[in-house]
Amino acid sequence: DAGVIQSPRHEVTEMGQEVTLRCKPISGHDYLFWYRQTMMRGLELLIYFNNNVPIDDSGMPEDRFSAKMPNASFSTLKIQPSEPRDSAVYFCASSFRAVGRLGTYEQYFGPGTRLTVT
Amino acid sequence: GENVEQHPSTLSVQEGDSAVIKCTYSDSASNYFPWYKQELGKRPQLIIDIRSNVGEKKDQRIAVTLNKTAKHFSLHITETQPEDSAVYFCAASITSYDKVIFGPGTSLSVIP
Repeated sequence: DAGVIQSPRHEVTEMGQEVTLRCKPISGHDYLFWYRQTMMRGLELLIYFNNNVPIDDSGMPEDRFSAKMPNASFSTLKIQPSEPRDSAVYFCASSFRAVGRLGTYEQYFGPGTRLTVT
Repeated sequence: GENVEQHPSTLSVQEGDSAVIKCTYSDSASNYFPWYKQELGKRPQLIIDIRSNVGEKKDQRIAVTLNKTAKHFSLHITETQPEDSAVYFCAASITSYDKVIFGPGTSLSVIP
């Protein structure tokens, strides 16, 4: 498996523009997580899905952020309109919950998308 | 909700010495404690984890200890090597809720 795939790897955009980040989880994984990483705030969980259904979006900073998972192999995180304070590295991660036995709950992170909003 | 604190924020050790990173958590229901390593410019990767029914776990040069009463857990790295230089994140989770809360990270530098 190629691991978690994210695109684009780098995105530079101007304030006010719409930004869409994409993620393909590892095949067979049933959980998908979106994180934002900055020096000031560390690694923040934005939202996570189980079987394509959003479970907890309490980390989404404001209404400008939205996330979807239309199927088991694809998710998007959209920022509209973007602002300079949105500049960060955005990670997508996936995991497989070994229901009924002691699984590892390990989260596999993608390479991240470095977003710069000018 | 869960809150995870981590100390120190930066740590510098000589090659061959040991490094210890300590974390505390707030929610007594947390029962899963992973540690992730993130090298510069790379993605976080799991290096070791421990569950609440275990007090200590070891994997070669790294070990984790858990004190549920005090709500403390620690990462120990022995015989440090330059390739151990990275940011280390502790985390806590209530497995039935699936949500993992990360600490702020510790930047470890191993000086050759």
